[in-house]
Amino acid sequence: EIVLTQSPATLSLSPGERATLSCRASQSVGSFLAWYQQKPGQAPRLLIYDASNRATGIPARFSGSGSGTDFTLTINSLEPEDCAVYYCQQRITWPPITFGQGTRLEIK
Amino acid sequence: QVQLVQSGTEVKKPGASVSVSCQASGYAFKTYGLSWIRQAPGQGLEWMGWINPGNGNTKYSQKFQDRVSITVDASASTVYMELNNLGSEDTAVYYCARGQSGRVGDLSFGVWGKGTTVTVSS
Repeated sequence: EIVLTQSPATLSLSPGERATLSCRASQSVGSFLAWYQQKPGQAPRLLIYDASNRATGIPARFSGSGSGTDFTLTINSLEPEDCAVYYCQQRITWPPITFGQGTRLEIK
Repeated sequence: QVQLVQSGTEVKKPGASVSVSCQASGYAFKTYGLSWIRQAPGQGLEWMGWINPGNGNTKYSQKFQDRVSITVDASASTVYMELNNLGSEDTAVYYCARGQSGRVGDLSFGVWGKGTTVTVSS
């Protein structure tokens, strides 16, 4: 089973700043990595698939990069609505599909 | 529009079984695989299993292999997840989710149901 480790656990930033979230895989996942945003009481929302492709309707200030074992989700010009938990997920080797434990983004 | 509509809240006793349904609409049902993913209170996301609605083929997480069954009624565009021998650790929100592209094996989850809360308590 591929383990995904996200860092930091919590990130606290101000509006307008840039957020950089990391996801590290226990073995290579190629580019088969996705990022999700989850707000309280809601289902997750797909932001990025295949490491760097924005899902439909996702603003350009969300971007993904990386391959192999190290991935980054960057959120430019933070807005208050970006307050959420962000998860990464791999799909190269399954079952099982695995998720990271999440990074909580707080907007000051 | 594309939707996954899940069945309502369930409260079960330990040892019981639960069945949660997920009815799809707005797209070619058999073209997209569907997964079940759960989230315990305050915890992260946990993938349970997947079904190809076109032929009923399934894959399960080894963790749930002995207790879960995912089935499909293509005539009703509905997928079911049954979890047996419930324990308190199965208290969670259960989501169905669809791949974001038109490939049945796509496991980037672009469409989600709103979730079904299952509470296991004596």
